[in-house]
Amino acid sequence: EIVLTQSPGTLSLFPGERATLSCRASQTVTNSYLAWYQQKPGQAPRLLIHGASSRATGIPDRFSGSGSGTDFTLTISRLEPEDFAIYYCQHYGTSSYSFGQGTKLE
Amino acid sequence: QVQLQESGPGLVKPSETLSLTCGVSGYSISSGYYWGWIRQPPGKGLEWVGSIFHTGTTYYNSSLKSQVTISVDTSKNQISLRLKSVTAADAAVYFCVRHRYYYFMDVWGKGTTVAVS
Repeated sequence: EIVLTQSPGTLSLFPGERATLSCRASQTVTNSYLAWYQQKPGQAPRLLIHGASSRATGIPDRFSGSGSGTDFTLTISRLEPEDFAIYYCQHYGTSSYSFGQGTKLE
Repeated sequence: QVQLQESGPGLVKPSETLSLTCGVSGYSISSGYYWGWIRQPPGKGLEWVGSIFHTGTTYYNSSLKSQVTISVDTSKNQISLRLKSVTAADAAVYFCVRHRYYYFMDVWGKGTTVAVS
């Protein structure tokens, strides 16, 4: 099973700034089967990015994903107040899913 | 618009069986997709529990396989989760999800909180 490690654990920024979140896999993620989710307190996670770089339906273009192999990045170009949340990466494409431990953006 | 609604007891006693149901609206389970469960212990991250296809084909998290049963009722357009012999470690918010086979989760329910005590 692929283990995903996210960094940093907490990221402190201001609205308008750029956020860069990292997700590192313990082995190569084939076909870039890597997704990112956003979770706000008391809510279910929301799909942001799939296939490492494809935005899900309705996701603003300030969110972008990049990377391949074992290193992936979620970038939020200009933070809006509603972007402060916890972000999880997820590996898929095998018979067992794994999630990173999350990055809290505050 | 596809909507998922989890339901079930909010409190289960240790060693007993946790039973949850996920009702699907706006989409027929028999039309495709896999339907599954993901849980999140208080203050912690996400853990996939298992998933099912409308034919009844299932696949489970290997760490929970001996404890979990997921079933489907196409006539009621719902899936169910049974988790036996629960302990405090099974206390969590349980989310119902939709996904394609081995693919990312594109629809999530709001979740239901289960305590074990």
